[in-house]
Amino acid sequence: RKEVEQDPGPFNVPEGATVAFNCTYSNSASQSFFWYRQDCRKEPKLLMSVYSSGNEDGRFTAQLNRASQYISLLIRDSKLSDSATYLCVVTPGSNFGNEKLTFGTGTRLTIIP
Amino acid sequence: DGGITQSPKYLFRKEGQNVTLSCEQNLNHDAMYWYRQDPGQGLRLIYYSQIVNDFQKGDIAEGYSVSREKKESFPLTVTSAQKNPTAFYLCASKVRAGTPRGYTFGSGTRLTVV
Repeated sequence: RKEVEQDPGPFNVPEGATVAFNCTYSNSASQSFFWYRQDCRKEPKLLMSVYSSGNEDGRFTAQLNRASQYISLLIRDSKLSDSATYLCVVTPGSNFGNEKLTFGTGTRLTIIP
Repeated sequence: DGGITQSPKYLFRKEGQNVTLSCEQNLNHDAMYWYRQDPGQGLRLIYYSQIVNDFQKGDIAEGYSVSREKKESFPLTVTSAQKNPTAFYLCASKVRAGTPRGYTFGSGTRLTVV
């Protein structure tokens, strides 16, 4: 089983719609969780951290469910500029000071005009 | 402006050759990392360095070598022993080791074996 699993998509969503995707992780000791965004042939960029209580940043909401070992990302009122691949990132919490990032394969999102 | 510079952006290598990918940062970050990204796979850690003159193997270090002689530089050499070197290589840095936050990525080097 992969350490971090994501539905690769693609998710094709009309502009203005709400879209959500999940990511599951296998290591129950994982401590930190993030969503990164990666545009085609570019480097990943941090979208948001994911906190236990859930957190929101504008149109983006992230949730963590430790019992079921998944994190989610919700995008409301989607824009064309949201088209990208969204990477779920987890730190195992056991290797070299909780700093090793384990990346999912990414979920590809395309917003359709 | 501070940041991480990777060069070259595109690199072509003949089979059996060693090539070196450059990664330079002017952020005064202690920790630096090399990742590899293949289609359909997540980024995988090749090597990391928590401080100058020190580096450690990541998950897929075979066929690669690094050095960290200067704080701002962390070059990666892809040797002929690396069986499938064609990939997108990303360098990252952060202020210090021991925290999962604050990563800055370079814009990557796309290596193709011809």
